[in-house]
Amino acid sequence: DAKTTQPPSMDCAEGRAANLPCNHSTISGNEYVYWYRQIHSQGPQYIIHGLKNNETNEMASLIITEDRKSSTLILPHATLRDTAVYYCIVRVVNYGGATNKLIFGTGTLLAVQP
Amino acid sequence: SAVISQKPSRDICQRGTSLTIQCQVDSQVTMMFWYRQQPGQSLTLIATANQGSEATYESGFVIDKFPISRPNLTFSTLTVSNMSPEDSSIYLCSVSGLAGGSSYNEQFFGPGTRLTVL
Repeated sequence: DAKTTQPPSMDCAEGRAANLPCNHSTISGNEYVYWYRQIHSQGPQYIIHGLKNNETNEMASLIITEDRKSSTLILPHATLRDTAVYYCIVRVVNYGGATNKLIFGTGTLLAVQP
Repeated sequence: SAVISQKPSRDICQRGTSLTIQCQVDSQVTMMFWYRQQPGQSLTLIATANQGSEATYESGFVIDKFPISRPNLTFSTLTVSNMSPEDSSIYLCSVSGLAGGSSYNEQFFGPGTRLTVL
């Protein structure tokens, strides 16, 4: 799977939008971009994923550049409970295949400040 | 989504002993995985648990140290054998490919088992 690069940490004020960047310059055409987060002492939680179009769900928005070499996860109104490590992962999706495994990088620690 | 439980939630073990961690899912899943998270680190994939056959291990992990069983589509175990303090970590079970769903896209994680080896 392609490697991703994320800043090690970011701060955000409560109520403001949190924009978390991710570089994946070696991404292949059949690799998706996934975002997970891990709140302290819990298992990782799925947030969102996309291939090339921007995506939005109840948790966040995912903006993928046209060349797909980078993406941004947007939490529109960050709360204190959004403080977590956010992982950007790229992977192939093969239905039933072993390549479904997720390989985690080091992630970004987002600290939401009151 | 899938509800995943792990037993035990935490344990303190002596050097040289073994611990078996159980992972139970509330629905049938195609894929089950085991991860390790060492203190202050990211998650590292140990292996993919295959039903009815030997697990597929990632580089740096071997069956003798981390034997895995997967007898059916809802259950798996990971054993940490001959433990040393370096094995102190959180061990997480993860699943994807829920039966009847389209969720090969999503991978769900259990709460983890916190292991301390003295």
